[in-house]
Amino acid sequence: QVTLRESGPALVKATQTLTLTCNFSGFSLTSSGMSVTWIRQPPGKALEWLALVDGKGFRHYTDSLGTRLTISRDTSENQVVFTMTKVDPADTATYYCARVVGESHYFDYWGQGILVTVSS
Amino acid sequence: QSALTQPPSVSGSPGQSVTIPCTGSTSDFINYRRVSWYQQPPGTAPKLLIFEVTNRPSGVPDRFSGSASGNTASLTISGLQTEDEAVYYCISYIGANFHFGGGTKLTVL
Repeated sequence: QVTLRESGPALVKATQTLTLTCNFSGFSLTSSGMSVTWIRQPPGKALEWLALVDGKGFRHYTDSLGTRLTISRDTSENQVVFTMTKVDPADTATYYCARVVGESHYFDYWGQGILVTVSS
Repeated sequence: QSALTQPPSVSGSPGQSVTIPCTGSTSDFINYRRVSWYQQPPGTAPKLLIFEVTNRPSGVPDRFSGSASGNTASLTISGLQTEDEAVYYCISYIGANFHFGGGTKLTVL
């Protein structure tokens, strides 16, 4: 059974660094074609893709947030860690991690999400 | 990032069918079958409904189907049920980038 669960702070102050962890089970990130991604959703708004890491360590980030993002994986601990520097109230959102599979890169399993509020 | 265009809302009555279009600037995402659909009921995480244009994961009812023509992918929901009320998103992966639709809110009247 594949599961993913996000953890991290519910409240972060503006200009600080946000660190979120995705703990997953039921699959290995080193398996062929597997990746883990982070996606966020501001309250009442659409989904927005943020970052992806695969089992070989390849990392890919959205252009819009540039160098503020870092994603890393610990394959032995079945964890993916996501950081966002210099947060702003506009970064308030529910953050989801999801498993990415296939050449078409679809998201077949999602975590429940974690709401992160950035205070000014 | 919303390089895919969806209508903001659609509606239908129980038992009817509705179709949600997802239009791209090119047909690449369809030609390479790199489009998927997700359902997000209020207050919950998105759930995969359709992948690679037409494929349904196990457990998804066959009332949900995907199709494509030209540069538009479509999600059709037949035999509408009240629990189908949700926001539906299309997502593609082309040019090593993800492209998200803005979401379509389905109201079951």
